Amino acid sequence: QKEVEQNSGPLSVPEGAIASLNCTYSDRGSQSFFWYRQYSGKSPELIMFIYSNGDKEDGRFTAQLNKASQYVSLLIRDSQPSDSATYLCAGGANFGNEKLTFGTGTRLTIIP
Amino acid sequence: SQTIHQWPATLVQPVGSPLSLECTVEGTSNPNLYWYRQAAGRGLQLLFYSVGIGQISSEVPQNLSASRPQDRQFILSSKKLLLSDSGFYLCAWRRSASYGANTEAFFGQGTRLTVV
Repeated sequence: QKEVEQNSGPLSVPEGAIASLNCTYSDRGSQSFFWYRQYSGKSPELIMFIYSNGDKEDGRFTAQLNKASQYVSLLIRDSQPSDSATYLCAGGANFGNEKLTFGTGTRLTIIP
Repeated sequence: SQTIHQWPATLVQPVGSPLSLECTVEGTSNPNLYWYRQAAGRGLQLLFYSVGIGQISSEVPQNLSASRPQDRQFILSSKKLLLSDSGFYLCAWRRSASYGANTEAFFGQGTRLTVV
């Protein structure tokens, strides 16, 4: 079982709609979770991080974490064509375990 | 501010040739350093990570190796490249997890390696 799993997509969403990206993880020692956006041919850039159960909002982005279900999600409201990219979920542990493991990524396309 | 440099940006190498990719970080000390590889259309595969000089953890057995000769320098090497080594190689740094939970990784610009 992979440590971090994502639906590889592709996921197509109409412009202005909500895009929902999901991620599950197997290591209960994982404490911090990160969502990165990667445009084709470019390196990943951080969108959000979350480490507490519940929701965390930043502009059009909301990250959700459910540690009991080992589930992380990213919601993108009012999707724009510029949101078209691959979204990578990553999980890391605290205090002594320095690995940072990424999922396979979900390719998102926003349809104008 | 912290910056990460990775070079070269692109590289075309014949099968069986050696490889050396270098990554350096500025503006921080004792960073955790990571090498990832991304095959076309795929996610990031963790290859190696290092928590200090001379300390290397290998995640995937293969013909690649990594070294950390200085605090902020991380090198990825191979003695003989295979076709399957082609991909997008990314170096990243992050603060140690002992500093707290929100230790996101920052990536270099990547090296696109094509083995021919």
